[in-house]
Amino acid sequence: QQQVRQSSQSLTVWEGETAILNCSYENSAFDYFPWYQQFPGEGPALLIAIRSVSDKKEDGRFTIFFNKREKNLSLHIKDSQPGDSATYFCAASVTQVVGQLTFGRGTRLQVYA
Amino acid sequence: AQTIHQWPVAEIKAVGSPLSLGCTIKGKSSPNLYWYWQATGGTLQQLFYSITVGQVESVVQLNLSASRPKDDQFILSTEKLLLSHSGFYLCAWSLWGGAGQNTLYFGAGTRLSVL
Repeated sequence: QQQVRQSSQSLTVWEGETAILNCSYENSAFDYFPWYQQFPGEGPALLIAIRSVSDKKEDGRFTIFFNKREKNLSLHIKDSQPGDSATYFCAASVTQVVGQLTFGRGTRLQVYA
Repeated sequence: AQTIHQWPVAEIKAVGSPLSLGCTIKGKSSPNLYWYWQATGGTLQQLFYSITVGQVESVVQLNLSASRPKDDQFILSTEKLLLSHSGFYLCAWSLWGGAGQNTLYFGAGTRLSVL
């Protein structure tokens, strides 16, 4: 059973558009949701994260929208750039439980100029 | 600033041969340490984590073992490689305890090809 599900394996947008990456989860105890960005051949890098007490988190062009009732969240990338082309992983954990960060399968984003 | 260094960058090994991968974290005392495995184009599968020297918890059984001989060092090893061990191995660290313990910071990874 996949505890963290990313609905799209891949997504293509044009430069300047808003890319929307969706994620859902099973475990209602999850309360921390980071998104990681990974370029080919590199380790994943923390992009932005949200805790379940919030419904929105914004950092520059990146925004997470969180719906606790529906157990889903989305990452919006405004004004997408070709340099944003990467794989994005949604992850989830229970804050008080160490070593339990669970990742989705990732969404590969391609931004065309 | 914290730095995480993984070695080697890449390995090509024969089936049945031994393996040892390493990871060192500088600039952070008593971090939690993690090993993850990633198949090409795949998700990140947690293998092991450690919250203190000498203590390692296994998350999945893949005929691999891990050890933490020093506070800043995490080793992944096996005596006998399988074809299925091929992939990208990532070491990560997080703060010990509290709200930061599940924010992971990854190294650059080791690419392993088993032939």
